[in-house]
Amino acid sequence: DIVMTQSPDSLAVSLGERATINCKSSQSVLSSSNNKNSLAWYQQKPGQPPKLLIYWASTRESGVPDRFSGSGSGTDFTLTISSLQAEDVAVYSCQQYYSFPRTFGQGTKLEIK
Amino acid sequence: EVHLVESGGGLVQTGGSLRLSCAASGFAFSVYSMNWVRQAPGKGLEWVSYMTGSSTTIYYADSVRGRFTISRDNARNSVYLQMNSLRDDDTAVYFCTTSNGALDHWGRGTLVTVSS
Repeated sequence: DIVMTQSPDSLAVSLGERATINCKSSQSVLSSSNNKNSLAWYQQKPGQPPKLLIYWASTRESGVPDRFSGSGSGTDFTLTISSLQAEDVAVYSCQQYYSFPRTFGQGTKLEIK
Repeated sequence: EVHLVESGGGLVQTGGSLRLSCAASGFAFSVYSMNWVRQAPGKGLEWVSYMTGSSTTIYYADSVRGRFTISRDNARNSVYLQMNSLRDDDTAVYFCTTSNGALDHWGRGTLVTVSS
């Protein structure tokens, strides 16, 4: 199984500042068939289901603000929020869909400083 | 607009059974793979099971294999999760999701509580 490890577990950032969340997979999730990384990022606000933000490691889902960006390849990935807004307070999780079983990181709780 | 609505959750005794349903609308259900993902109280997300649109390919997490069975009825635009031999650590909110690679649409979930 591919183990996904996020860092940090929690993060407090001031409004308007940059937030960075890291995700590391225990093996590469780069697919040789399409040269894409099978890595997604989700946002989950309290009492709500997760929402897909980023797929293929760097492609924003439709309607996701452009302050959210994903980067990385192979085993190391980053979710960046360029200018934190109050509505971005949530738990963020990465997930690999390279192989089964699908696996998630443990989640990173993002708060306002 | 994609809409997924889970139902069937509730309180069940340890060792008991429960069948979850997920009603889908707003997309071509029969061509989409579907998943069940769960989240224990205060914990992270755990993928549970996957089924292709044609039902030909199925996967399970090790933690539920042999106890849970995923199925679907494309005529009813629904996917199901039959859960047997339930354990206390199966207590969670269960979400159904579509997948086109990533898990792109999620229902609001249904809570399953297993208690002796």
